[in-house]
Amino acid sequence: AQKVTQAQTEISVVEKEDVTLDCVYETRDTTYYLFWYKQPPSGELVFLIRRNSFDEQNEISGRYSWNFQKSTSSFNFTITASQVVDSAVYFCALSVTAGGTSYGKLTFGQGTILTVHP
Amino acid sequence: NAGVTQTPKFQVLKTGQSMTLQCAQDMNHNSMYWYRQDPGMGLRLIYYSASEGTTDKGEVPNGYNVSRLNKREFSLRLESAAPSQTSVYFCASSDWPLTSGHNEQFFGPGTRLTVL
Repeated sequence: AQKVTQAQTEISVVEKEDVTLDCVYETRDTTYYLFWYKQPPSGELVFLIRRNSFDEQNEISGRYSWNFQKSTSSFNFTITASQVVDSAVYFCALSVTAGGTSYGKLTFGQGTILTVHP
Repeated sequence: NAGVTQTPKFQVLKTGQSMTLQCAQDMNHNSMYWYRQDPGMGLRLIYYSASEGTTDKGEVPNGYNVSRLNKREFSLRLESAAPSQTSVYFCASSDWPLTSGHNEQFFGPGTRLTVL
């Protein structure tokens, strides 16, 4: 069975601070995908990034960066110079291939509520 | 191109009432999913459909039924609503099992359901 843990329930920062959201996953599959989604106060879920288990390169997109480390089963998300608009709930999720029998199902973490104060 | 649409956006039911949540996608995706979101628990999979004509249970299927009406539409039915089913419901679709696809799931705007 798969499991995703986001140990930080809530994080509060002041604008322009850097913040890292932690994500730890568990799976026995060797081929899997990791995702981050953002849920702003309006409620929709916005896809941010997808990584596969064979690609451990870190990724940077503007103020966002992701650090994937298979050795620690972690896929952490950093926001540099945070802004009020970054306030949202952030979800980490895992999908395994399971030889094609996983049907693309996602296992989500509990989510981290990020509040950025002006 | 609307992506994934859900109706209704809000619904209040009394215990024992039934209702159907509708979901449609226009991305020609094979796979569709229903999740519920509860505070502190993330999103949990209720049912999924890997292709037209097939459905299967997810993590929390009790109290729900689904229908994959065609490739576009996937509905979720509560036959006898209970207060424990108060939640936000999300429908999603993905291009799984395309090996050339990204397999990320695209979500609808959600339905906020309250059962009194």
